[in-house]
Amino acid sequence: AQSVTQPDIHITVSEGASLELRCNYSYGATPYLFWYVQSPGQGLQLLLKYFSGDTLVQGIKGFEAEFKRSQSSFNLRKPSVHWSDAAEYFCAVVLNTGFQKLVFGTGTRLLVSP
Amino acid sequence: DTEVTQTPKHLVMGMTNKKSLKCEQHMGHRAMYWYKQKAKKPPELMFVYSYEKLSINESVPSRFSPECPNSSLLNLHLHALQPEDSALYLCASSQEGTGGWGYTFGSGTRLTVV
Repeated sequence: AQSVTQPDIHITVSEGASLELRCNYSYGATPYLFWYVQSPGQGLQLLLKYFSGDTLVQGIKGFEAEFKRSQSSFNLRKPSVHWSDAAEYFCAVVLNTGFQKLVFGTGTRLLVSP
Repeated sequence: DTEVTQTPKHLVMGMTNKKSLKCEQHMGHRAMYWYKQKAKKPPELMFVYSYEKLSINESVPSRFSPECPNSSLLNLHLHALQPEDSALYLCASSQEGTGGWGYTFGSGTRLTVV
C-alpha cells in the first residue's frame, strides 16, 4: 500500500545541536514530497517540497531535506536547532490516484532542551 | 493574498445544533480540501473540491456536508455531531493539476461537541 512513514514519534535535541527527522515512503513512482510543521493548536506551515530535479531541497527557517530514491527517504535536516523549532513535523506525499491526495505521515514531535 | 482564512477559530456546539465552518482563499487555487485532525494525530482528508465540484469524499458521515459556493469559498455544514467529532478542522487549497505546489493550509477551526 502507498504510505509515508515517520519512524520517530518523539525526538529531543539540545538547542544548537543538529537535527535530522526521518521520513520513508512506499510508492510506485517518484512522489511529490513535502515537510510541514505545526505548532500546538495551529495550522500547518509548508517547510519545503520536492517534485523533481536537485535532490537536496532548501526550505524556510534554515531547513533542508534530501530525497534519496534508493532508500525511499526524504529526511529533514537543520544544522542548528533553535528553541522555537519545537513543534510537530509531518512528512507528506501526494498520491496520484486519479486526483492528487495529500497524505501525511504520523508525525514527529520535536522537543528542544536548553 | 497568500492565505487561507478559516472562521470561526473556535466553536462549541451541542449534539442537536447546526453550525457551519467557513474557509476562504483568494490565490486563484481551484482545488480546496477539508481535513480533520484529532489530537496527537496527523490530518486526515475528508473532502476534495476541484473547480467547485466535489471530487473526493473519503467516506465521511452524512452529518458533515461540504459546500463550495464559488472558487474562493468552501463551507462545511455540521449537523447532529457526536462528541467524537471534536477535532481541529483544517481547510487547504492548491493549484489543481500541478501536484499541489505547496498546499496552503488555514489555521483551522477547533471544534468541541458537547
